[in-house]
Amino acid sequence: AQKITQTQPGMFVQEKEAVTLDCTYDTSDQSYGLFWYKQPSSGEMIFLIYQGSYDEQNATEGRYSLNFQKARKSANLVISASQLGDSAMYFCAMRFEGDNFNKFYFGSGTKLNVKP
Amino acid sequence: DTGVSQDPRHKITKRGQNVTFRCDPISEHNRLYWYRQTLGQGPEFLTYFQNEAQLEKSRLLSDRFSAERPKGSFSTLEIQRTEQGDSAMYLCASSLEDVSSGNTIYFGEGSWLTVV
Repeated sequence: AQKITQTQPGMFVQEKEAVTLDCTYDTSDQSYGLFWYKQPSSGEMIFLIYQGSYDEQNATEGRYSLNFQKARKSANLVISASQLGDSAMYFCAMRFEGDNFNKFYFGSGTKLNVKP
Repeated sequence: DTGVSQDPRHKITKRGQNVTFRCDPISEHNRLYWYRQTLGQGPEFLTYFQNEAQLEKSRLLSDRFSAERPKGSFSTLEIQRTEQGDSAMYLCASSLEDVSSGNTIYFGEGSWLTVV
């Protein structure tokens, strides 16, 4: 069975500092996609970054980077130079070859608070 | 705005009443997804369509739930005889048909349902 675990229900970070949000997963599939989404209080899920299981380089998108450690089955999100607008829920999500990449599975999320 | 739109954004209903939510996907997207999200949890998959065909339904989708996408464009999600446990946010998402790990989906802002 596919399982995604986010062990940090809430995190605090000082503005302008970096923060790492943890995500671990369990799957027997060899091919899968890893995603991070941001959900502000408005409710919309905003796509941040993607990493494929066969990608050797860690993905980066602006201030977001994905620390992918395949052997450990972890895909942590690193946000550099935190801004007040980064305060939101963050979800790790995946899709798997086992069901033809047809749907996303989500972790339980981490609520990030950026302090001024 | 050419993103995914959902209506209504908020709905309060009495237990036992029927409710219907509408989703308009991004115009060129032929895949449409419904997810449910309760407080403190990540979204859970309910069902998805490819064009007008409903290709998969989760066990979470009891017989009180029905989803349609009659012309392969907008979709409706109806909940009959609502129960308090149905209180959640119902998220709609859309994507192009692309069976690859990196194909992301784009979410609407969700429809909040409160059953009293």
